[in-house]
Amino acid sequence: EADIYQTPRYLVIGTGKKITLECSQTMGHDKMYWYQQDPGMELHLIHYSYGVNSTEKGDLSSESTVSRIRTEHFPLTLESARPSHTSQYLCASSEEGVVPDTQYFGPGTRLTVL
Amino acid sequence: ELKVEQNPLFLSMQEGKNYTIYCNYSTTSDRLYWYRQDPGKSLESLFVLLSNGAVKQEGRLMASLDTKARLSTLHITAAVHDLSATYFCAVDMKGVAGNQFYFGTGTSLTVIP
Repeated sequence: EADIYQTPRYLVIGTGKKITLECSQTMGHDKMYWYQQDPGMELHLIHYSYGVNSTEKGDLSSESTVSRIRTEHFPLTLESARPSHTSQYLCASSEEGVVPDTQYFGPGTRLTVL
Repeated sequence: ELKVEQNPLFLSMQEGKNYTIYCNYSTTSDRLYWYRQDPGKSLESLFVLLSNGAVKQEGRLMASLDTKARLSTLHITAAVHDLSATYFCAVDMKGVAGNQFYFGTGTSLTVIP
């Protein structure tokens, strides 16, 4: 079983608030990812990291930012939440140099911005 | 840009029946992944297919990969209610900074008793 954790699991917040979604993994994986998934829809990559101090934007434009100061921790921040940010956010990790490059997913954070 | 398409998007089938979910992708990739997602839950890895002709089976599910046709199938044999979930395929593509995953649109499967 994958050891990847996300908090909070559910968050309801007002417009304009700053929020940080936490993601931690205890597997020592170098690669970590953030995906956004609207209900019943596919996953879209919004950020990824291949190691400490490495972050890249994914294909889906996002107003969020990420940081990777420690291997195990990959938080996502929204400086000013808007209703359009309402979605599920999934964090994943995988091991560098291993084939297959299976991604292990956290339980997700369901965000609602009022 | 890599596109990954699944069909059908929605599938309702009776217990005991067989069916196949298709996953087409638009560019060369030798690695294809199948995931399962239960409602309100995260994704669980089912299969990883690493080469042309690869076939993997687990219980009532069997996945195959044809890299020349850029097609993967997920075959369900004698469906049971516990298989109700959304199934995603994903391919990875090498880029400047390494590989990125591209997910299909998902197939929502409902197995009716």
